[in-house]
Amino acid sequence: GEDVEQSLFLSVREGDSSVINCTYTDSSSTYLYWYKQEPGAGLQLLTYIFSNMDMKQDQRLTVLLNKKDKHLSLRIADTQTGDSAIYFCAESIGDYKLSFGAGTTVTVRA
Amino acid sequence: EAQVTQNPRYLITVTGKKLTVTCSQNMNHEYMSWYRQDPGLGLRQIYYSMNVEVTDKGDVPEGYKVSRKEKRNFPLILESPSPNQTSLYFCASSPAGETGELFFGEGSRLTVL
Repeated sequence: GEDVEQSLFLSVREGDSSVINCTYTDSSSTYLYWYKQEPGAGLQLLTYIFSNMDMKQDQRLTVLLNKKDKHLSLRIADTQTGDSAIYFCAESIGDYKLSFGAGTTVTVRA
Repeated sequence: EAQVTQNPRYLITVTGKKLTVTCSQNMNHEYMSWYRQDPGLGLRQIYYSMNVEVTDKGDVPEGYKVSRKEKRNFPLILESPSPNQTSLYFCASSPAGETGELFFGEGSRLTVL
């Protein structure tokens, strides 16, 4: 079966970098995703990486993919209070089907 | 504005009283899906639909029904709600042939007493 695991909580000081880690199980996943959920809202796609890539950078976000270890990480540089949210790792496991992790709650402290 | 709209956003009901949560998208997406979100469990898929009149069970379909009579609408039906269906529900849609990105509604918080 599919299983995506990520730590549940992360506390980071404003201005520091945040790193959220995730492990997945389906080696045939075509895409891996990071979704962000702000309080009281639905999930929004933050970024994604194609499985044949090792790294993707998008402004303050850096995604690293280690296919051998089935490990995905999201680094947020210069973390701001607006980055406080729940971050979900997800893998594609078939046409349009995604398997989500439990979500990492990121708290940014002043 | 492109969006997925769910109603109601909040609902408190009692065991056994049938309810429907509506979902509508205005992006002409083929794929629609329902998820429930529970603490520590993340999102689990209930049902999904690849197109009109095509629906399939997800990971946790027990106690739920869906229908897809029109492309834009995908209602979630709880025929006889029970307290273990107390949860936060999300509807999502996705266009065909793309990266698989899901567009989510804002969620419907359901409490079954």
